[in-house]
Amino acid sequence: SQTIHQWPATLVQPVGSPLSLECTVEGTSNPNLYWYRQAAGRGLQLLFYSVGIGQISSEVPQNLSASRPQDRQFILSSKKLLLSDSGFYLCAWSVPSGSYNEQFFGPGTRLTVL
Amino acid sequence: QKEVEQDPGPLSVPEGAIVSLNCTYSNSAFQYFMWYRQYSRKGPELLMYTYSSGNKEDGRFTAQVDKSSKYISLFIRDSQPSDSATYLCAMYGGATNKLIFGTGTLLAVQP
Repeated sequence: SQTIHQWPATLVQPVGSPLSLECTVEGTSNPNLYWYRQAAGRGLQLLFYSVGIGQISSEVPQNLSASRPQDRQFILSSKKLLLSDSGFYLCAWSVPSGSYNEQFFGPGTRLTVL
Repeated sequence: QKEVEQDPGPLSVPEGAIVSLNCTYSNSAFQYFMWYRQYSRKGPELLMYTYSSGNKEDGRFTAQVDKSSKYISLFIRDSQPSDSATYLCAMYGGATNKLIFGTGTLLAVQP
């Protein structure tokens, strides 16, 4: 069966510090991978998605970046965090050939920037 | 206008009540409609999906899609305190390969 992991679960970082969040998927090959941010009252905002190693599409201009160094690994990074980067970050995967793009979510990372 | 509109609630009901959760949308290209349930501080999990118009039932849950009105609903029968969560609608179809989510409705079922 497929499993998706995210870490850390919670993170408190000062403004201006770097960020690295990691997501890994087990039990599937060549998944589509996604990073979302969820802020209170604003639903899920798609940040990045990837259809393969090294292939990243950015949805929202910001000071975040994503990388996919391995087939089942997706990393969200920032060189300098802003207060507005606080939120709940979710990684998700989907089957590339899925007809309705069902996405499976990880447990999330709650980031607080102070 | 947002592509998907969803009342954020909160919606509070007594145990055993029938709950109706709704979303409206503007993009007529959407063909796949999903409902996710998200418990506090957890990732969303897929509850149900439907294709095009019609109803789909799974236990106490019924998903309904009316494409002519661009309106989807999730009904929960005999609601339980364990149903307390945020419910997000999501849609997919057309030229985009992205799921478009509603903002979520917070549901509290009181014992």
